[in-house]
Amino acid sequence: DIQMTQSPPVLSASVGDRVTLSCKASQNINKNLDWYQQKHGEAPKLLIYYTNNLQTGIPSRFSGSGSGTDYTLTISSLQPEDVATYYCYQYNSGPWTFGGGTKLELK
Amino acid sequence: EVQLVESGGGLVQPGRSLKLSCAASGFTFSDYNMAWVRQAPKKGLEWVATISYDGSSTYYRDSVKGRFTISRDNAKSTLYLQMDSLRSEDTATYYCASLYGYTPDYWGQGVMVTVSS
Repeated sequence: DIQMTQSPPVLSASVGDRVTLSCKASQNINKNLDWYQQKHGEAPKLLIYYTNNLQTGIPSRFSGSGSGTDYTLTISSLQPEDVATYYCYQYNSGPWTFGGGTKLELK
Repeated sequence: EVQLVESGGGLVQPGRSLKLSCAASGFTFSDYNMAWVRQAPKKGLEWVATISYDGSSTYYRDSVKGRFTISRDNAKSTLYLQMDSLRSEDTATYYCASLYGYTPDYWGQGVMVTVSS
């Protein structure tokens, strides 16, 4: 199974900060990676698909990048409504797996 | 507007069965592969099972293989998850999701399943 490791587990940042979340795969996943945002008590929401494609309706302050085993989600200017847990997800090979999540808090 | 509404959750004893349903609307259900994803209390997300658009292919994570069955009724735009021989470790919120390729793009609100005596 491909293991997905997200770092840091918890991130505290201030409104307006540029925030970078990392996701590392245990093997090359060929950019077959998505990012999800889950707010407390809600279902996950797709933000980014296939590494760097912004889902319809998602603000442009969110962006994704990466290749091989290393991937990044960037929020260019953190907003209060971005407080959530963020998960990466690989579908390069089964079983499809999620990272453990990064909880983003306001400082 | 895409809507996915899960139902059928609840409290069940270990070893017993439960069947979840997911009613879909707002898109052509029969054109899309579908999946179930679960989340144990205060834990991360875990893919459970996937079914192809026509029901001809199914895929399961190892821990549920032989116990869970994913199925669909395209005439009713409904996805199912039959869960047999339930264990305490199956306790979770279960989400149904439509797939864009392999990407879960739209998710239901989730339904809670608690396995406990």
